[in-house]
Amino acid sequence: QLVESGGGLVQPGGSLRLSCAASKFSFSDYYMDWVRQAPGKGLEWVGRIRDSAHTYTTQYAASVKGRFTISRDDSKNSLYLQMNSLKTEDTAVYYCARFLLGGVYSMDVWGQGTTVTVSS
Amino acid sequence: DIQLTQFPSFLSASVGDRVTITCRASQSISSYLAWYQQKPGKAPNLLIYTASTLQSGVPARFSGSGSGTEFTLTISSLQPEDFAAYYCQQGETYPITFGQGTRLEIK
Repeated sequence: QLVESGGGLVQPGGSLRLSCAASKFSFSDYYMDWVRQAPGKGLEWVGRIRDSAHTYTTQYAASVKGRFTISRDDSKNSLYLQMNSLKTEDTAVYYCARFLLGGVYSMDVWGQGTTVTVSS
Repeated sequence: DIQLTQFPSFLSASVGDRVTITCRASQSISSYLAWYQQKPGKAPNLLIYTASTLQSGVPARFSGSGSGTEFTLTISSLQPEDFAAYYCQQGETYPITFGQGTRLEIK
């Protein structure tokens, strides 16, 4: 239901754009999150984009604010993560996830992840 | 930021054991706590939301409790497929934060 793409090897200071394709649910009705996991480490929330009813507003973790931008195209059922000024510490598996409101307040559907490696 | 501290970080147990993992928040998060299971090379899977509600399809041997700053995840009788990493996550306040994880391994 969620499939990420766009990961790869990039040099420090470079840019990369990740995509997440959604299917089998009404994508436009949901908030969407990005979560990452560095090799051998725990989960780190990257950011969130709300739905059109909440004017697509975004929230970011301090570690990526000003460098990463989350966007979405509801007509294409797609979520994006534009990553600029990449650092070696951004190396991780990046997951997109559907965030449920309505008393759940959790991420109930996850993609399989795409790997980003920042290295010279 | 709200810090979530899980303990233990590592747990060794046997099939059939009852295990409990604790997640402590640095400030009150009401009941906005979720638990996830993650197996190696896989995405996390939602087990419990709002502290104690079992996600659809999750076996009843999993249960959650707590509110405020102290929460627990209990597995009543460990099955071989339960050996994995477990994470708590708070949804009360931005930034969303996760606990550092508990790795559950077979004794």
